[in-house]
Amino acid sequence: AQSVTQLGSHVSVSEGALVLLRCNYSSSVPPYLFWYVQYPNQGLQLLLKYTTGATLVKGINGFEAEFKKSETSFHLTKPSAHMSDAAEYFCAVSDEGDKIIFGKGTRLHILP
Amino acid sequence: DAGVTQSPTHLIKTRGQHVTLRCSPISGHKSVSWYQQVLGQGPQFIFQYYEKEERGRGNFPDRFSARQFPNYSSELNVNALLLGDSALYLCASSLDFRTNQPQHFGDGTRLSIL
Repeated sequence: AQSVTQLGSHVSVSEGALVLLRCNYSSSVPPYLFWYVQYPNQGLQLLLKYTTGATLVKGINGFEAEFKKSETSFHLTKPSAHMSDAAEYFCAVSDEGDKIIFGKGTRLHILP
Repeated sequence: DAGVTQSPTHLIKTRGQHVTLRCSPISGHKSVSWYQQVLGQGPQFIFQYYEKEERGRGNFPDRFSARQFPNYSSELNVNALLLGDSALYLCASSLDFRTNQPQHFGDGTRLSIL
């Protein structure tokens, strides 16, 4: 069965510092991997998606993630945090159809 | 272009009642999925519909049901509501579930059970 583990339910970084949100997946087949962001009282917005090909995936708002099959990881990074990045971030995996398995989420706090 | 729209935005019900949540997908999208997001957790897959047929079902009791209409809009029905059904219910649409097209989420319906 597929699963996703997000390390750290809360992460705090200073404005301008590197953002690193960790995600490890478990899948018996080559997975599709996603990062979604959720702002308060809103739905989910797709940040980026890995299917096949290049392992470094660039997304919106300056975020990127690297697929590392040997480590079964798909960590999300952003070189310089902005106050507007404060939100809940979800890593997710899918191998068929539209059924997406989400992690429990990481709340990102940006310190001024 | 309008995104995925869900109605109502908020709903308060009591235990034992029935509720119907509605979702209109992005124009041209034929696949609709439903997710339940309990406070502090990630969304959990409930149903997926494509071309008016159920294509996937998550681990939810039979109290949960859904359908998709000819215009690709969808309804999620929950019977005999329990306190544990309190959650944000999210609808997502995509062009075609078979090719893992990106899913677009609505802002959800927040259901509170008293």
